[in-house]
Amino acid sequence: KAGVTQTPRYLIKTRGQQVTLSCSPISGHRSVSWYQQTPGQGLQFLFEYFSETQRNKGNFPGRFSGRQFSNSRSEMNVSTLELGDSALYLCASSPIVNTEAFFGQGTRLTVV
Amino acid sequence: GEDVEQSLFLSVREGDSSVINCTYTDSSSTYLYWYKQEPGAGLQLLTYIFSNMDMKQDQRLTVLLNKKDKHLSLRIADTQTGDSAIYFCAEIPSGNTGKLIFGQGTTLQVKP
Repeated sequence: KAGVTQTPRYLIKTRGQQVTLSCSPISGHRSVSWYQQTPGQGLQFLFEYFSETQRNKGNFPGRFSGRQFSNSRSEMNVSTLELGDSALYLCASSPIVNTEAFFGQGTRLTVV
Repeated sequence: GEDVEQSLFLSVREGDSSVINCTYTDSSSTYLYWYKQEPGAGLQLLTYIFSNMDMKQDQRLTVLLNKKDKHLSLRIADTQTGDSAIYFCAEIPSGNTGKLIFGQGTTLQVKP
């Protein structure tokens, strides 16, 4: 069974641009959640989706948004990028909510 | 509040046992998790324990849960150099959907 796939693995963007990251969960998993990892703040929860509905959201500005498609694949979007958005963005999938969560390799975003 | 605490660094000799400790805040958490992160990689789910268990063993890994003290530990027997990584404990607080709260991570250094 394939694991969680995140694309792209690396991304360099300029301040003010926007970016879209993609996550394909493990086949059959319906819950997808997103996290931001930085050296200063550690791992912080962004949002969680289940059956195309956002059910939980972390404490991030509205520039961070996401969605989930009917095949459970998910995307997250960050608009008007700031230098502080440079981070490793991790996606996790779970078969059902609040059980074991499996993470992808992450997307390393660098904002210059 | 939501808070998971871990010590930041642990150094052991190859072949010794390692014990990584964690304290969490929500006594209603259903699952508690241990993840491993190697440089440049995502999070690997090592093991998890249900809150109604005291102990779980999986090959070289032993998880102990003390619900009264809200204390979780991960013991790695016969630690190898390949075990060098950052280890995160995490909980999902009650009333939350798909939101893992992570500790700061414990860097395990294994000396040959």
